[in-house]
Amino acid sequence: GQQVMQIPQYQHVQEGEDFTTYCNSSTTLSNIQWYKQRPGGHPVFLIQLVKSGEVKKQKRLTFQFGEAKKNSSLHITATQTTDVGTYFCGPSSSNTGKLIFGQGTTLQVKP
Amino acid sequence: ETGVTQSPTHLIKTRGQQVTLRCSSQSGHNTVSWYQQALGQGPQFIFQYYREEENGRGNFPPRFSGLQFPNYSSELNVNALELDDSALYLCASSFQGANTEAFFGQGTRLTVV
Repeated sequence: GQQVMQIPQYQHVQEGEDFTTYCNSSTTLSNIQWYKQRPGGHPVFLIQLVKSGEVKKQKRLTFQFGEAKKNSSLHITATQTTDVGTYFCGPSSSNTGKLIFGQGTTLQVKP
Repeated sequence: ETGVTQSPTHLIKTRGQQVTLRCSSQSGHNTVSWYQQALGQGPQFIFQYYREEENGRGNFPPRFSGLQFPNYSSELNVNALELDDSALYLCASSFQGANTEAFFGQGTRLTVV
């Protein structure tokens, strides 16, 4: 079945450093969604990308969808302690909206 | 807050028992999906309910079953609990179809002993 791989699995950064997580699929995706899950919390929707090569920004967060629609990235500029959590990516089924999540990238930020 | 509520928040059951988890979807949403999240893993799709019928199922055995009610709330039932069923169970409500975001509840933490 369809799978996405996320790298790295864990990342520790100093507050103020940048952070990037990558999401890779062996198949072409119709879309990709990103979610953030704080420790002890539940996934919260961040963004959806649909178009080839699409780039979207939310304040310090930049999301990209690859030209081949097989990979995506999330880049955080100047991390803050509020960025701590696990970031999940995955496609949403075109018929049902079913989400297929990668294993996530857990970000730790040292103040 | 998403408006999606799950109950109970925590539950401890014995192996072999049965459990029912509940989810109230966000107002206006017609679809409920259930996910199982083991510790340190991403959520895994169990199944989805739309118009009170199962509309897609992940790789879970038949002892995982569900219901959706006319008010779009939903239940997840698990029979013959196994130790590996210990996980966070997440309910997500949405509008049916692609390109819609899912709103997750806070989850039910199930521990099977």
